Amino acid sequence: EAGVTQFPSHSVIEKGQTVTLRCDPISGHDNLYWYRRVMGKEIKFLLHFVKESKQDESGMPNNRFLAERTGGTYSTLKVQPAELEDSGVYFCASSQEELYEQYFGPGTRLTVT
Amino acid sequence: AQSVTQLDSQVPVFEEAPVELRCNYSSSVSVYLFWYVQYPNQGLQLLLKYLSGSTLVESINGFEAEFNKSQTSFHLRKPSVHISDTAEYFCAVRRANTGNQFYFGTGTSLTVIP
Repeated sequence: EAGVTQFPSHSVIEKGQTVTLRCDPISGHDNLYWYRRVMGKEIKFLLHFVKESKQDESGMPNNRFLAERTGGTYSTLKVQPAELEDSGVYFCASSQEELYEQYFGPGTRLTVT
Repeated sequence: AQSVTQLDSQVPVFEEAPVELRCNYSSSVSVYLFWYVQYPNQGLQLLLKYLSGSTLVESINGFEAEFNKSQTSFHLRKPSVHISDTAEYFCAVRRANTGNQFYFGTGTSLTVIP
């Protein structure tokens, strides 16, 4: 069974540009989560999808971030326009049920210059 | 609100020596406790978890952690480390019986020296 995959693994963009990160959860997992780790700090929750619906987006930093999960399968996280402080590693995780173990992807390292 | 503190950002240890990675948490409600490990160029993997029952939990590769409610701690230990244990270790909590998100510590980078 394939694990959680994320694309790209690395992205380097200039301030003001747009970047879209993609996450493919484990097949059959209705719950999908996005987290972010800014260098040297803790991994922080961004939002939670149940199928295609946003269950909790309390961790989204501002309206420059837009997450979607059309069709309840893969998810995208768009940052527009990117700022320097958006640099970090973005993790995606999925789980079969909300209270079950979350399986994490390898992360996308975003660098904004 | 929940928070997790991992005081040691880097821990170097010689091969076959014991190691303890410290984790303290604060929460006003009951929580579940987890340790995740991230090997180089890989995603986070669950190492072990405490949900209920015995306060001492073990992983398949020799790590163990003990939930200490009075000290609000969940320290990770291994009596003899291997080179392959070199990785970053994250302590995390989640509200028990409800709640979806994990609250992570800042991570501890364990380096095993040959």
